[in-house]
Amino acid sequence: GDSVTQMEGPVTLSEEAFLTINCTYTATGYPSLFWYVQYPGEGLQLLLKATKADDKGSNKGFEATYRKETTSFHLEKGSVQVSDSAVYFCALNNRGAQKLVFGQGTRLTINP
Amino acid sequence: SAVISQKPSRDICQRGTSLTIQCQVDSQVTMMFWYRQQPGQSLTLIATANQGSEATYESGFVIDKFPISRPNLTFSTLTVSNMSPEDSSIYLCSVDSPDRANYGYTFGSGTRLTVV
Repeated sequence: GDSVTQMEGPVTLSEEAFLTINCTYTATGYPSLFWYVQYPGEGLQLLLKATKADDKGSNKGFEATYRKETTSFHLEKGSVQVSDSAVYFCALNNRGAQKLVFGQGTRLTINP
Repeated sequence: SAVISQKPSRDICQRGTSLTIQCQVDSQVTMMFWYRQQPGQSLTLIATANQGSEATYESGFVIDKFPISRPNLTFSTLTVSNMSPEDSSIYLCSVDSPDRANYGYTFGSGTRLTVV
């Protein structure tokens, strides 16, 4: 079945550091890919998405590119802030399926 | 996108009791989803609720333990029955978007349940 694998956490960085959180997926067909963010004590918010190969999703300085050849959707940000501290989830939705399939989540902590 | 109001936001319950979680959406939606997020874990889909039909449960989840109601297109409840400490989790409801591929799903703020 469909699955998503994220890099192990937790990840701790200093402010203004470069961030990469790896995400790879296994799916039949051509899924849509998402990154969700969960701030402490809150629900999930959609951060960015991509619906087809080579699409780049971007929001709040975060970017991720849909790479079909490597089945990846790595999340990047050039300069992180303390306010970026949260748990990040990579997810996919396969066309025709009703549900989201989530990766295990990566906890990110940014120190001032 | 839809706005979801979920309550309670948190609760501490005695083992053996039941808790009903409510999810109210500000627009009519076809499908509503209930997820469980165990401590330090990812989200696992419990069931999908369509208005006017029985909920569809994922493997490992049963109606007797997690009964769901969906009386109309804007509201759903999830009950966690006969609770044990293993049920301590965050429970989230989610709704579909008319343009799912582009807008994904919207999530409620979650119910943080602790069973003692």
